[in-house]
Amino acid sequence: RKEVEQDPGPFNVPEGATVAFNCTYSNSASQSFFWYRQDCRKEPKLLMSVYSSGNEDGRFTAQLNRASQYISLLIRDSKLSDSATYLCVVNPRKGGGADGLTFGKGTHLIIQP
Amino acid sequence: ETGVTQTPRHLVMGMTNKKSLKCEQHLGHNAMYWYKQSAKKPLELMFVYNFKEQTENNSVPSRFSPECPNSSHLFLHLHTLQPEDSALYLCASSQQGAYSVITDTQYFGPGTRLTVL
Repeated sequence: RKEVEQDPGPFNVPEGATVAFNCTYSNSASQSFFWYRQDCRKEPKLLMSVYSSGNEDGRFTAQLNRASQYISLLIRDSKLSDSATYLCVVNPRKGGGADGLTFGKGTHLIIQP
Repeated sequence: ETGVTQTPRHLVMGMTNKKSLKCEQHLGHNAMYWYKQSAKKPLELMFVYNFKEQTENNSVPSRFSPECPNSSHLFLHLHTLQPEDSALYLCASSQQGAYSVITDTQYFGPGTRLTVL
């Protein structure tokens, strides 16, 4: 089983629609979770951290379900500029201190006018 | 944005060459990382440095040799690479606390796109 699994897409969505992505992770000891966004040929940039209570940032809502080991991202009122690859990211927290992140392959989103 | 810079941005090298990638972070962070992103594969962690000490080597071949002279600079020395090593090499930094979730966000540089001929 892959450590972090995402549907690669592409998701073709009309502008203004709502789109949701899910991601599953295999390491039940994982402690922190993120969504990163990566534009074509650019570096990943943090979109938002994901907390157990769920969190919202403008049009973006992230949820974490520890029991089922999945993370979701909801984008409302999608914009053309939301077109990108969305990376589900998990910090396995092996022993405290600095830990490398574990990335999913990403979900490719295309917003169509 | 100039929080994390990487040079060069593009590099083409032969299999017998020796080259180095450089990363510098201007964020006052104490941890730095090298990742590799190959086509159609997820980002893969290569090395982790915390307070200049290497804390993780993710089974990386010895033809990749990291160096961290201080908390702001990180190098990746390359020698006798293979064509399959062609990829985007990304540097990241973070401010690590032992159990701090909020501050362990990693910030990435723009990457060095490496082509090995």
